[in-house]
Amino acid sequence: AQTVTQSQPEMSVQEAETVTLSCTYDTSESDYYLFWYKQPPSRQMILVIRQEAYKQQNATENRFSVNFQKAAKSFSLKISDSQLGDAAMYFCAYRSRDNYGQNFVFGPGTRLSVLP
Amino acid sequence: DSGVTQTPKHLITATGQRVTLRCSPRSGDLSVYWYQQSLDQGLQFLIQYYNGEERAKGNILERFSAQQFPDLHSELNLSSLELGDSALYFCASSERVLAEQFFGPGTRLTVL
Repeated sequence: AQTVTQSQPEMSVQEAETVTLSCTYDTSESDYYLFWYKQPPSRQMILVIRQEAYKQQNATENRFSVNFQKAAKSFSLKISDSQLGDAAMYFCAYRSRDNYGQNFVFGPGTRLSVLP
Repeated sequence: DSGVTQTPKHLITATGQRVTLRCSPRSGDLSVYWYQQSLDQGLQFLIQYYNGEERAKGNILERFSAQQFPDLHSELNLSSLELGDSALYFCASSERVLAEQFFGPGTRLTVL
């Protein structure tokens, strides 16, 4: 079974600075999806960014970008120019392309604080 | 607003009782997923439906069941409730089986 690990339970960053959240995963599959979701205090789950494993190019969405290292099974999220609204729990998630069986696995989350 | 709706927002009940949580997916989405999030914990995948049929099952207890109706809304039934079932229950939907998921606001269940 696939597992997702986020080794940083908590992180903090100064407003306008850059922070990187780590995520590693374990899988024997060659094709899959990876996601970062944000959960602010409202508890709403918001998709931040997605990466398809067969694509070598790292995904980017405005101030959010990923560093996808397939061989190392690493998928880190970089937040540039951090804003107060970025404070939230961030979950890394793995999704198998095989839809039969457990198909979506979330990491334990990293709580990000943004300091003014 | 993701377009996914869940009712009720909050539910308080007693041990041994049964409750039903409801989810309406985004317009056009055929796939519905249910997750459980206990306090300060990650998301536990429970079950997925696609166009009315069960497609994937996670760590869902036998006391829990779900279904997706012809109009594509879904219900999660929780019975013989225990204190440990207190959690936030999320529903998510996606357009296709392998597409990204959009989450509803969740139903907070408190079992006393």
